[in-house]
Amino acid sequence: RKEVEQDPGPFNVPEGATVAFNCTYSNSASQSFFWYRQDCRKEPKLLMSVYSSGNEDGRFTAQLNRASQYISLLIRDSKLSDSATYLCVVRNAGNMLTFGGGTRLMVKP
Amino acid sequence: DAGVTQSPTHLIKTRGQQVTLRCSPKSGHDTVSWYQQALGQGPQFIFQYYEEEERQRGNFPDRFSGHQFPNYSSELNVNALLLGDSALYLCASSPSVSSYEQYFGPGTRLTVT
Repeated sequence: RKEVEQDPGPFNVPEGATVAFNCTYSNSASQSFFWYRQDCRKEPKLLMSVYSSGNEDGRFTAQLNRASQYISLLIRDSKLSDSATYLCVVRNAGNMLTFGGGTRLMVKP
Repeated sequence: DAGVTQSPTHLIKTRGQQVTLRCSPKSGHDTVSWYQQALGQGPQFIFQYYEEEERQRGNFPDRFSGHQFPNYSSELNVNALLLGDSALYLCASSPSVSSYEQYFGPGTRLTVT
């Protein structure tokens, strides 16, 4: 079983739609949680950190449930420019980041 | 302010050969991590360098080795290349070994034939 699991998608949604991605992690000692965005053939870039209290950044909302070891990302009012792969990431002891396989989002006009 | 830079951009090698990839961290950063990203998968941690020493290592064989120089730049060496080593190799730098912030370079795409 992979340490961080994501549905690979693709999620095909129309512009303006709300879409949610989920991720589960297996290491209960994981310390920090993130969502990264990766465009085709580009490097991953930090989208947002994820906190237990939940946090929002514009159209993006992230949630963490430590008891269920579950992380989510909600994107409201999807834009064409949101099309990308979204990577769920956890940090364990030290600064090693463990990435999920990514969820591909395609926003269509 | 230059971000993380990597060279070369692309590389084609033959099975059994050796390869060296290079990374210059973002200005002010002293910690460098290397990741391997196979097609369709998420990046996998190879190792991290700080103060010219390997500090953490992922589940990669000894064929993968690295080095960090006094100016914080780093090299990744892979010996006895296998077809399965074909991937995007990403370098990420951090402002300190204790920081969770990692900034990725554009990567080196290695193809092994």
